[in-house]
Amino acid sequence: EPEVTQTPSHQVTQMGQEVILRCVPISNHLYFYWYRQILGQKVEFLVSFYNNEISEKSEIFDDQFSVERPDGSNFTLKIRSTKLEDSAMYFCASSETAYEQYFGPGTRLTVT
Amino acid sequence: AQTVTQSQPEMSVQEAETVTLSCTYDTSESDYYLFWYKQPPSRQMILVIRQEAYKQQNATENRFSVNFQKAAKSFSLKISDSQLGDAAMYFCACLLYNQGGKLIFGQGTELSVKP
Repeated sequence: EPEVTQTPSHQVTQMGQEVILRCVPISNHLYFYWYRQILGQKVEFLVSFYNNEISEKSEIFDDQFSVERPDGSNFTLKIRSTKLEDSAMYFCASSETAYEQYFGPGTRLTVT
Repeated sequence: AQTVTQSQPEMSVQEAETVTLSCTYDTSESDYYLFWYKQPPSRQMILVIRQEAYKQQNATENRFSVNFQKAAKSFSLKISDSQLGDAAMYFCACLLYNQGGKLIFGQGTELSVKP
């Protein structure tokens, strides 16, 4: 069964550094999303992406964040200058129809 | 504001018994979908069941079924014949189609299953 994959599974970085989280969505899916989950809290929407542009973003998704689909398979989330409060699990999701999203296993980001 | 509320932080059920997890939501959107996701300790988000808001018939998926009350904005999940593998965090979520398809999640309910 096709699945969303994410790399790395765990990323440790120092405050102020740039990180890029990578996702490979399911191959025939057209809609892509990033969510984050701070430990012990609920999952929060960050951004949705369709047809090579952002279709919706949350208040969390400020100028420090960007997304890109650099080729036909990858979907990346970049955080330009990480803060301690960016420590969280980051989930990528994809959807064929925008009515149902399938999640990747997540990347745990630790900012020290 | 769009919100999803799960009022039960923790629930417990005996193996083979039935348990119901509660969820209420609030949205002004007319085009939305409701979901239950399961998150085991691995923290993978697994889709359990989906309900289209325009459908009156409650969704079922094997041992999982929902009770969707649109007027009350209620969307509960019933797990029948509970198994040890059902133990996990369960999140209720509302998908807003006209807002980029974003999912709004509830706070989660931690379900434990006793052998």
